[in-house]
Amino acid sequence: EPEVTQTPSHQVTQMGQEVILRCVPISNHLYFYWYRQILGQKVEFLVSFYNNEISEKSEIFDDQFSVERPDGSNFTLKIRSTKLEDSAMYFCASSPRRTETDTQYFGPGTRLTVL
Amino acid sequence: AQKITQTQPGMFVQEKEAVTLDCTYDTSDQSYGLFWYKQPSSGEMIFLIYQGSYDEQNATEGRYSLNFQKARKSANLVISASQLGDSAMYFCAMRGNSGYSTLTFGKGTMLLVSP
Repeated sequence: EPEVTQTPSHQVTQMGQEVILRCVPISNHLYFYWYRQILGQKVEFLVSFYNNEISEKSEIFDDQFSVERPDGSNFTLKIRSTKLEDSAMYFCASSPRRTETDTQYFGPGTRLTVL
Repeated sequence: AQKITQTQPGMFVQEKEAVTLDCTYDTSDQSYGLFWYKQPSSGEMIFLIYQGSYDEQNATEGRYSLNFQKARKSANLVISASQLGDSAMYFCAMRGNSGYSTLTFGKGTMLLVSP
């Protein structure tokens, strides 16, 4: 069964460093998303992406964040200058369409720790 | 805007018994989808079941069923014949047709299944 994959599974970085989190969405899906989950809290939407551009973004997704689809399979989230509060689990998700009836399938997550 | 409320921070159930996890929602959208995800201790988000707002039948998926009461704006997850492997965090989520493709999550319910 097709699945979303994410690398790395864990990333430890120093405050102020740049990190790139990578995702490979399900191959025939057209919409891609990033969510984050701070430890012990609920999952929060960051950004959605379609046709090589951002569709929607939340207030969390400030200028420190960017997303890219550098090739036909990868979808990346970059944090330019990490802060302590960026420590969280980051989930990539994909869906075939963007309607309210379409399930978003999540990857296994990348646990980011900022020291 | 959508809002999901999960009032049960934790639930205990014995193996082989059924358990109901509560979820209420609020939205002004006419069409929306309701989703349940399972998050085991390993951290990944696993899609369990989906219910559309216009579906007349309650969704079922193996041991999972969704008790959808539209007038009450509730979408409770019922797990029948609980297994030890069901111990996990369970999140209710929704997305509407108001132009946003994002999933809005509740805070989750931690389910512990005892032998």
